[in-house]
This record gives sequence, C-alpha cells and structure tokens, in this order.
Amino acid sequence: SQTIHQWPATLVQPVGSPLSLECTVEGTSNPNLYWYRQAAGRGLQLLFYSVGIGQISSEVPQNLSASRPQDRQFILSSKKLLLSDSGFYLCAWTWLASKSGGYTFGSGTRLTVV
Amino acid sequence: AQSVTQPDIHITVSEGASLELRCNYSYGATPYLFWYVQSPGQGLQLLLKYFSGDTLVQGIKGFEAEFKRSQSSFNLRKPSVHWSDAAEYFCAVVNPDTGRRALTFGSGTRLQVQP
Repeated sequence: SQTIHQWPATLVQPVGSPLSLECTVEGTSNPNLYWYRQAAGRGLQLLFYSVGIGQISSEVPQNLSASRPQDRQFILSSKKLLLSDSGFYLCAWTWLASKSGGYTFGSGTRLTVV
Repeated sequence: AQSVTQPDIHITVSEGASLELRCNYSYGATPYLFWYVQSPGQGLQLLLKYFSGDTLVQGIKGFEAEFKRSQSSFNLRKPSVHWSDAAEYFCAVVNPDTGRRALTFGSGTRLQVQP
C-alpha cells in the first residue's frame, strides 16, 4: 500500500538558521509531489510541486526552495529562515487519474521560527 | 487559474442541528472537487470527492455534498451535527487537464458545535 512519511513533526528554529524538511512516499512510482504551507488561522497555500525527478515548479516567490533528488523523495529547504516562514507544512502526493484517484497528505511539520 | 471561495469563515451550530458549508469555485470546465476536514493541530482527512456522474456525493462521517454546475458550487451538508464534528473544513478543486494537478484550497470554514 502507498504511504507518505514526513518529518520532523515539530521544529523550532531561530531566525537565520537553515531548514530541511523531508517527505518520502512508498508504494508508488513517479508520483506528483507537493509542498503546502498553512499559516496560523489560514488556508493551505501551494508552495512547490514536482512531476518528476529534478523537476520543481514554484508557485510563489519566497525564501524557500524544493528539491526532488529521487523519485519518491521531496525536500523543502531554506538557507536562512524568516519569522514569516512559521507555519504548518504538509507534503502530499497524488494518484489522480481520469475520473478517479485522490491525494494523500503527510502528517505535517509544525515549524516555529523564533 | 481555478479558485475556491468559502464565504463563511466561522459557523456555530447546535449539536443535532443540520449543517451546510458553502463552497464556490471558479473554473472554466468541471473540476474535480474535494472536501477535507482538519482537527486542531492535525493533518487533513478526506471527507468526500466528486469527479463526475451523480451530483450528490456521499462521504464519511455522515457528510454529503452536492455539485451544482449552474451555481459553480459544491456545498457540504450533514443532517445532524455531532460535537466531534467541530473542526476546520476545506473545499478544494483541481484542474484534471494539466500535469500540475495541484489542489487549490479555499480559506476554510471553522465549525463550532454548541451542546
């Protein structure tokens, strides 16, 4: 069965420090992968998506970057965190096909930048 | 680009009362539509989804949603709310005709249930 792993669950980082969040998917190949962010009291904003290894599309200009070094691995990074990077980060993958399928979300990482 | 509007930021209902959460989307064709629920501090749980066919969709926990093409709406309903339904609800759409296939979410509706 397909599963998605996201870690860490919580993270407290000082302003200016680097960030690396990792997401891995099991049980499928060549999935579309996504990073979303949910700021406090807000909806979910798409940050990045990837349709294949090394293929990253950014949805919003920001302090973050993403990479997909392997088919089922998606990494969210920052060289220097800002206070505004605080939020709940969710990784997702889709098995959406023609009129079927869906999305699976990871359990999320709650990032607090202090 | 598609967009989703959930006009109600916060709704309070009494336990046992009926519930309807509104969702309107903007998209040129018929998108795929989803409703998710998020409990405080938790991830997202899928309630139901619509791709095509019967416009009334049944989901988990007694929820249903009706797709109305003429109104570009996909409202979520439940005939009798339980205290455990208190959570945040997100409507989402996806354009199935692109490789991107990313969900676009509404801003959410926070449901409070009074005893």
